Amino acid sequence: QKEVEQDPGPLSVPEGAIVSLNCTYSNSAFQYFMWYRQYSRKGPELLMYTYSSGNKEDGRFTAQVDKSSKYISLFIRDSQPSDSATYLCAMKSSGSARQLTFGSGTQLTVLP
Amino acid sequence: GAGVSQSPSNKVTEKGKDVELRCDPISGHTALYWYRQSLGQGLEFLIYFQGNSAPDKSGLPSDRFSAERTGGSVSTLTIQRTQQEDSAVYLCASSFGHSGTDTQYFGPGTRLTVL
Repeated sequence: QKEVEQDPGPLSVPEGAIVSLNCTYSNSAFQYFMWYRQYSRKGPELLMYTYSSGNKEDGRFTAQVDKSSKYISLFIRDSQPSDSATYLCAMKSSGSARQLTFGSGTQLTVLP
Repeated sequence: GAGVSQSPSNKVTEKGKDVELRCDPISGHTALYWYRQSLGQGLEFLIYFQGNSAPDKSGLPSDRFSAERTGGSVSTLTIQRTQQEDSAVYLCASSFGHSGTDTQYFGPGTRLTVL
């Protein structure tokens, strides 16, 4: 079983829809949670970063963490065609390991 | 300012040949990471450098893979005797430090194809 599970999609929604992306994890040592966006043939870019349970909002994006359920989500409001990309969840433990552990990514297409 | 850069952007090689991939981190960043992204897979950690400390090589898949970081800046990932399963996008990232809240910034990657 992978440490981080993410539904690969693909997910296709109409412009203006609310998008919900999710990851579950099994390692309780994960304390830092990130969402990266990756456009085709580009490197991942950081969208959201949180290290506590609850919600964090940034513009049209909201990151939600539930450590008790080992479940994180990213919500995109008023989705735009420019949001079409692969979304990767990533996590880091509070221990000595510094690397990120990624989900497999969800491919999102927002149709105009 | 300049981001993380990687070269080459694409590399096609024949099975059994050695390849070198280069990463230039963001100036001033002390931590540098290599990841591999295979088709339909998430990013897989390979190796981590922090300042002058010994690198964390725990993610390297075999002894055919090695990496070095010269002068605390540029890094080279070397794959010897390449195999078809080595075909992937190799991504480099750097961060200012190595605390839990330090953000990793990624380069565009090198797409390696082993024929």
